[in-house]
Amino acid sequence: KQEVTQIPAALSVPEGENLVLNCSFTDSAIYNLQWFRQDPGKGLTSLLLIQSSQREQTSGRLNASLDKSSGRSTLYIAASQPGDSATYLCAVRFIIQGAQKLVFGQGTRLTINP
Amino acid sequence: DGGITQSPKYLFRKEGQNVTLSCEQNLNHDAMYWYRQDPGQGLRLIYYSQIVNDFQKGDIAEGYSVSREKKESFPLTVTSAQKNPTAFYLCASSIPYRGYGYTFGSGTRLTVV
Repeated sequence: KQEVTQIPAALSVPEGENLVLNCSFTDSAIYNLQWFRQDPGKGLTSLLLIQSSQREQTSGRLNASLDKSSGRSTLYIAASQPGDSATYLCAVRFIIQGAQKLVFGQGTRLTINP
Repeated sequence: DGGITQSPKYLFRKEGQNVTLSCEQNLNHDAMYWYRQDPGQGLRLIYYSQIVNDFQKGDIAEGYSVSREKKESFPLTVTSAQKNPTAFYLCASSIPYRGYGYTFGSGTRLTVV
């Protein structure tokens, strides 16, 4: 069964720190991996999309890496700000018998303290 | 701007009533999806459609129904058979080829009263 796990479930850090969020998945047969941000009561905003052939993607202060062979991805946030406080979701697009399925982790709730 | 519009933002349902959640996209995406989000359970797939006039059950389809008569629209009906409908519902779209990501709407919060 394809599963996605995010650790930790919650993280609280002071403003200005660099931080890493982790995502692990059980099967290396994937098309891509997508990181989302969700604010309370809101929809999901796509942050970064990494194809299975790529090692990393960068957007501003965000950097996402992908190690398909070990089933791991990290989201690195540099110089954190209070506006970064949100829940971060990792979603993996698995290849299943020629079809595909998007599976979500349960998210990491991030709080940046001023 | 292209995107996904979900309406209404909040919806209240009485016991035994069917309600319909709207999802419209102008991204020209072929595939559309409905997810349910509950605290502590992550997102679970209800139904998806990869082409007009065709749709498939997801992991938790019981008590729900959908239609896909137009490429732009994928409404979800929560029927009276759904015993615990209170949740946050999210609609998404994508191009069903390996390289594309998903785009999500802003969600509808459904509450049983």
